[in-house]
Amino acid sequence: ETGVTQTPRHLVMGMTNKKSLKCEQHLGHNAMYWYKQSAKKPLELMFVYNFKEQTENNSVPSRFSPECPNSSHLFLHLHTLQPEDSALYLCASSQERTRANEQFFGPGTRLTVL
Amino acid sequence: QQQVKQSPQSLIVQKGGISIINCAYENTAFDYFPWYQQFPGKGPALLIAIRPDVSEKKEGRFTISFNKSAKQFSLHIMDSQPGDSATYFCAASMGGGNKLTFGTGTQLKVEL
Repeated sequence: ETGVTQTPRHLVMGMTNKKSLKCEQHLGHNAMYWYKQSAKKPLELMFVYNFKEQTENNSVPSRFSPECPNSSHLFLHLHTLQPEDSALYLCASSQERTRANEQFFGPGTRLTVL
Repeated sequence: QQQVKQSPQSLIVQKGGISIINCAYENTAFDYFPWYQQFPGKGPALLIAIRPDVSEKKEGRFTISFNKSAKQFSLHIMDSQPGDSATYFCAASMGGGNKLTFGTGTQLKVEL
């Protein structure tokens, strides 16, 4: 595997379900991100982890719970979601403390909440 | 409050033509301006980026023009090809930080 991988690629869940999204980066980066992508809206930054420590929580509802056990893996735990949470959830990684700022994105998980 | 405004929302260009996408920002502390390209079913990928110490950056058929005084920057795609059909996002960040603020995206279609 190369780059940033995300599983599952598609997820349909009911409002009472609990599920988790997984992201893995194979780039040796030390920062990881969760974004929400909805149609006709800017990508919304949800969470940022630098060196496994959460450094940004962009006023995300508590029904989204991130977990970063190490610098290569990032999870997004989902529970009691709402239909408006249906979107493409993107994971990204970057090498922090360089001038590059480039973020590498995974293909995303298409989430549908019924 | 949206800090990066992108236009147009969609664009249709003939093969061989020039595609132009514009972005305007409000925060003068922004010092890094990337453009990302996203194909269906894929995540965004960095296409080209510029810092405000230059007014233009060119990589192949892709050029960023940057106007610091107007707080605007634009992406020009020369000799547009059907394979360029994708959604393009401008973004901005500040202080070497990793928090990117994205525009709303432009869906480009290049027709034969």
